[in-house]
Amino acid sequence: AQTVTQSQPEMSVQEAETVTLSCTYDTSESDYYLFWYKQPPSRQMILVIRQEAYKQQNATENRFSVNFQKAAKSFSLKISDSQLGDAAMYFCAYRGGSEKLVFGKGTKLTVNP
Amino acid sequence: DTGVSQDPRHKITKRGQNVTFRCDPISEHNRLYWYRQTLGQGPEFLTYFQNEAQLEKSRLLSDRFSAERPKGSFSTLEIQRTEQGDSAMYLCASSLRTMNTEAFFGQGTRLTVV
Repeated sequence: AQTVTQSQPEMSVQEAETVTLSCTYDTSESDYYLFWYKQPPSRQMILVIRQEAYKQQNATENRFSVNFQKAAKSFSLKISDSQLGDAAMYFCAYRGGSEKLVFGKGTKLTVNP
Repeated sequence: DTGVSQDPRHKITKRGQNVTFRCDPISEHNRLYWYRQTLGQGPEFLTYFQNEAQLEKSRLLSDRFSAERPKGSFSTLEIQRTEQGDSAMYLCASSLRTMNTEAFFGQGTRLTVV
């Protein structure tokens, strides 16, 4: 079975600074997708960024980018120019052939003004 | 279309009672998922549907849990004889039937069993 591990229960960053959230996963599949989801307090989960395993190029969405290391099974999220609105729980997720999302336990990000 | 909607948003029930939650997915989405999220944890998969067919059920889904998606539209999740351990946020998500597509989540139903 696939597993996703987020080793940082909490992280904090100063506004306008950069922060990196870590994620590792375990799978024997070759074709899969990785996602970072954001869950603000009392609000629904929304997609931040996705990465196809077959693509070597790291995905980027505005201030959000990933560092995808397939051999190491690592998928970290970098948030540049952090904003107060970035404060939330961040979940790393895996989707493979079974087509369900497997989530990590999450990292709570605090942004300090 | 305003996204995935779940009803109710909050439910408090006494132990032993039955509860039913509803999820209305985004209309063109043929996949519908149910997840359970407890405090401090990531969402855990419960079950999913492709149209009206229930394709996979987690072993977390005991016999007291049942889910339906009649006619491939909305879905219901019923918990019979609720236990305190059932207290959690129940999330519904929908997507198109491809691996790379985004799953859109509802705001969830928070269940408290007292």
